[in-house]
Amino acid sequence: EAQVTQNPRYLITVTGKKLTVTCSQNMNHEYMSWYRQDPGLGLRQIYYSMNVEVTDKGDVPEGYKVSRKEKRNFPLILESPSPNQTSLYFCASSLGGLAAYEQYFGPGTRLTVT
Amino acid sequence: GQQVMQIPQYQHVQEGEDFTTYCNSSTTLSNIQWYKQRPGGHPVFLIQLVKSGEVKKQKRLTFQFGEAKKNSSLHITATQTTDVGTYFCAGPASNTGKLIFGQGTTLQVKP
Repeated sequence: EAQVTQNPRYLITVTGKKLTVTCSQNMNHEYMSWYRQDPGLGLRQIYYSMNVEVTDKGDVPEGYKVSRKEKRNFPLILESPSPNQTSLYFCASSLGGLAAYEQYFGPGTRLTVT
Repeated sequence: GQQVMQIPQYQHVQEGEDFTTYCNSSTTLSNIQWYKQRPGGHPVFLIQLVKSGEVKKQKRLTFQFGEAKKNSSLHITATQTTDVGTYFCAGPASNTGKLIFGQGTTLQVKP
């Protein structure tokens, strides 16, 4: 089954404790991205990657890191999480870049930073 | 920077009434995509519009892309309770791989 998987689905952590949210897709997609969703603000893009070893900032990259060492994986790293990073996070993938193809979203990761 | 605005933010309708959400971009878009997110779920792709003035239909849903390719709308005829959710439009930022989403319109349908 074609899908995007994220782990963990729920995470409660404390300020400053480094964490990684994993994202994997099995569709051989070139493009992957991370979004955060907050009430009233919609989906805001954090980082995106148009291919292996190519990553670029979205609209809200501060406090996040990503890497794309393999085509299928695109982990999101929070080196020193803060309470304002409490949010619902979605990973997505699509066939190609330039945001011209439909995005397939993962199930989401709900992160709480205390 | 480039913005995509969506209105209204919320809409409550009686089952059987029509519903429309509007999307406006600050710049011309090469394409616009629409997604639906059910409560507790993840966004799911509905459709992509590419041509100026394009109109596409999916059963009771009608999608339009403006002549200037800066605005779009989604119209649902005779809403059903299964239409409940948040509808997002999204457009690419010029010459980049960024995808910019509107804030979404949350639709509630009273049976």
